[in-house]
Amino acid sequence: GENVGLHLPTLSVQEGDNSIINCAYSNSASDYFIWYKQESGKGPQFIIDIRSNMDKRQGQRVTVLLNKTVKHLSLQIAATQPGDSAVYFCAEKVYGQNFVFGPGTRLSVLP
Amino acid sequence: KAGVTQTPRYLIKTRGQQVTLSCSPISGHRSVSWYQQTPGQGLQFLFEYFSETQRNKGNFPGRFSGRQFSNSRSEMNVSTLELGDSALYLCASSPGQPNNEQFFGPGTRLTVL
Repeated sequence: GENVGLHLPTLSVQEGDNSIINCAYSNSASDYFIWYKQESGKGPQFIIDIRSNMDKRQGQRVTVLLNKTVKHLSLQIAATQPGDSAVYFCAEKVYGQNFVFGPGTRLSVLP
Repeated sequence: KAGVTQTPRYLIKTRGQQVTLSCSPISGHRSVSWYQQTPGQGLQFLFEYFSETQRNKGNFPGRFSGRQFSNSRSEMNVSTLELGDSALYLCASSPGQPNNEQFFGPGTRLTVL
């Protein structure tokens, strides 16, 4: 797969622990955000999204938190599993414009 | 529903050649966006098509072009290939509202020799 960002920040967590992946976004006008997961050899996979009128959204084992004051987005993964090992990207969007992607964080799940 | 499909999955070309990549979006989706992904630059937006019209465009040279057909399928073309065009080219499909979920295909890995 794509070895995105040879010097990607890496987060290593123990299997079963919770993971928190952070993203600082750039545009205070962004009003829609998506978290993607990219495994080796695959395209980015949609995980969860959030609109700017919310500060928290939950999915299955994942929670996204949005702090517009400091332009910060986080993805929390509960009970991290080996299959969660991947690169995670946040993407921000201003209404009517294209998505802008963060550099990504590599999550490594230790057995 | 079938996901986003891209063809071919792998392509090897030489400098100066041109290439055409194809993307079929999710059924019912009218927006197709193209991205270039490289280790050094990450995911960079190329352009978006909606109802056969280019709606947004990134900062890529004119060698990169695209089009969309009436069935929402899209193609992108790169002419006069350069070594630096080697990348994973990703297509993403969306229903078409300005702020909607976007789903990616598996990508086409282009290698320019």
